[in-house]
Amino acid sequence: QQQVKQSPQSLIVQKGGISIINCAYENTAFDYFPWYQQFPGKGPALLIAIRPDVSEKKEGRFTISFNKSAKQFSLHIMDSQPGDSATYFCAASGPPGGKLIFGQGTTLQVKP
Amino acid sequence: KAGVTQTPRYLIKTRGQQVTLSCSPISGHRSVSWYQQTPGQGLQFLFEYFSETQRNKGNFPGRFSGRQFSNSRSEMNVSTLELGDSALYLCASSPQGRVSYEQYFGPGTRLTVT
Repeated sequence: QQQVKQSPQSLIVQKGGISIINCAYENTAFDYFPWYQQFPGKGPALLIAIRPDVSEKKEGRFTISFNKSAKQFSLHIMDSQPGDSATYFCAASGPPGGKLIFGQGTTLQVKP
Repeated sequence: KAGVTQTPRYLIKTRGQQVTLSCSPISGHRSVSWYQQTPGQGLQFLFEYFSETQRNKGNFPGRFSGRQFSNSRSEMNVSTLELGDSALYLCASSPQGRVSYEQYFGPGTRLTVT
C-alpha cells in the first residue's frame, strides 16, 4: 500500500513534443504529490507538486494532472526540449510528512 | 539562500568499516530526511529528523542510524558496511514545522564499499 508505480520506465520524445509520465498510488492517506527532476551526478530537484484538492496545476511548461478517484497523477511536459532530458521521479507523502515514497523513475530523452 | 550541502561528496570504504555522512540543511529548515538511491531499488527513505527527534523511519537495518543537532545539521552513520551499501546517499531539508512536505535535496554522497 506504500508503493507508487511509475510508467513508462523510459521515454523518447522529439523536440517540441509532449512528454507524459504517469504514476499510480494505493494509499489514500497520501496528500502531497511532487515531481522531481534529476540530472546525472546531481540530487533530485523539485519541479512541481500538487495536493488532492486540485485536479490540475501548471507551472510554465510543466503540468500535473491529478485524478483522485483513480488514484493516479501524471506529469505533462509541453514543448519538450533537449535540456529536459533527465530522469523524472514522482513521489507521494502523507501525514506527518517528511517521508517521500518515490516511483521507480522515468528516463526521458528529447531528441533535437 | 544556499542549498542543502552534503559532505563528503565521495567516499570509498572497505567492507566491515563504518562511515559518517554529514548534511547541512537550507537555513531555517528544521526537518532533514535521508534517502538511499541505487539503480536497483531506486530512491528509498531512510529516516527523518525534526527538532533533533527521529520522526519517521524507513525499513533499513539498525546498522543505519542518524541524528540531528540543535542547529538542524544532521549526520547519518552506517556501521559494519556491506557491499550492498554502495549507493548515493541523499539528504533533503524541508521548511515546514510540524508537517513537512516540500523537500529540497542536496547533491548526495556517493559511497562505494569494496
